[in-house]
Amino acid sequence: SAVISQKPSRDICQRGTSLTIQCQVDSQVTMMFWYRQQPGQSLTLIATANQGSEATYESGFVIDKFPISRPNLTFSTLTVSNMSPEDSSIYLCSVAAGEDNEQFFGPGTRLTVL
Amino acid sequence: SQELEQSPQSLIVQEGKNLTINCTSSKTLYGLYWYKQKYGEGLIFLMMLQKGGEEKSHEKITAKLDEKKQQSSLHITASQPSHAGIYLCGADEGRGTYKYIFGTGTRLKVLA
Repeated sequence: SAVISQKPSRDICQRGTSLTIQCQVDSQVTMMFWYRQQPGQSLTLIATANQGSEATYESGFVIDKFPISRPNLTFSTLTVSNMSPEDSSIYLCSVAAGEDNEQFFGPGTRLTVL
Repeated sequence: SQELEQSPQSLIVQEGKNLTINCTSSKTLYGLYWYKQKYGEGLIFLMMLQKGGEEKSHEKITAKLDEKKQQSSLHITASQPSHAGIYLCGADEGRGTYKYIFGTGTRLKVLA
């Protein structure tokens, strides 16, 4: 398994601003993922962030809006840019770290955009 | 694309009762994962199922994957208030991507 922390745990932001979310893992992992969970909804994958390569974005998500960094095997950041109220969600990072590469999740960052 | 449907969407049970949550896939599952989420928090990994007919248990929670690998059930025996939360099934899309899709979630409330 893996222990994952995220910062900040929550934030309230003004529209038009940007927020960078940090994800720290207690062990080296190749595959990290960023998800969004809109209010009352299930999780939707934003992108896959593997160290040493550009992040791979899912349909409906673009790098200009959600730039991702993956500088090493234990850390990643997701930036939510030019925010609008529709970006209000919980953002979660996860890593594939189990024996069968099952994913373990961070505690999430609850973002509210006014 | 693959979709996961969970039922029921919500469930309220009296403490001590048994309950079952179902997860149905539109395609054959490469891997099926069950998670629990406390309201507004991260996901806690419960169990993973990969083989048709597989069954796993942890404490009072049992998960099964049918032979065709398109349906899974999560059964809680003698429920407790600590079991309350949102239960999510997730599936590996396969093809070595390790990307997950998630079901719609089941909100469980256990009355003391």
